[in-house]
Amino acid sequence: AQKITQTQPGMFVQEKEAVTLDCTYDTSDPSYGLFWYKQPSSGEMIFLIYQGSYDQQNATEGRYSLNFQKARKSANLVISASQLGDSAMYFCAMRSNTGKLIFGQGTTLQVKP
Amino acid sequence: DVKVTQSSRYLVKRTGEKVFLECVQDMDHENMFWYRQDPGLGLRLIYFSYDVKMKEKGDIPEGYSVSREKKERFSLILESASTNQTSMYLCASSTPWGRGGQPQHFGDGTRLSIL
Repeated sequence: AQKITQTQPGMFVQEKEAVTLDCTYDTSDPSYGLFWYKQPSSGEMIFLIYQGSYDQQNATEGRYSLNFQKARKSANLVISASQLGDSAMYFCAMRSNTGKLIFGQGTTLQVKP
Repeated sequence: DVKVTQSSRYLVKRTGEKVFLECVQDMDHENMFWYRQDPGLGLRLIYFSYDVKMKEKGDIPEGYSVSREKKERFSLILESASTNQTSMYLCASSTPWGRGGQPQHFGDGTRLSIL
């Protein structure tokens, strides 16, 4: 069965420091995609970054990077230089070859000034 | 800019009512989705549609139905609302499968309370 696991229900980080949000996945499909979304308290889901299973390099988007370790089936999100506006819930999701997204439970990140 | 619009941000209904949640997207996307979000459970797929008048059950379809008469509009229907359907409902749309890193685009969500 396909599954996404986020083991950190909540995390704190000091402003301007880097933080890593963990995500592990389970699938037997050779082709899949991994996404990270941010959900502020207002509720909208904001797409952050994508990693394809065949991509050779780790994805980066501005202050966001994805530490993709295929053998370990992990796709951790790294946020560099945290800002107060980064406080939100973060979801890891996997798209299987059927196209559906499977979401993890989410991690709430709080950035301290 | 891409836009997925859900008809209500907050909605309060009574047990047994028939409830309609509407979603409209302006991106000409083929695929549309309805999720519910509950604390500690993440997002769970209720129904999705990959074309007009087509629908597929997701992981938790019981108690729900959907309608897609036009490409841009996807409606979620609670046939007889119950208190366990109190939740946050999110609509999303995307291009067809297999287009690389194209993400699903989400609406702002509807917080539905069933009393």
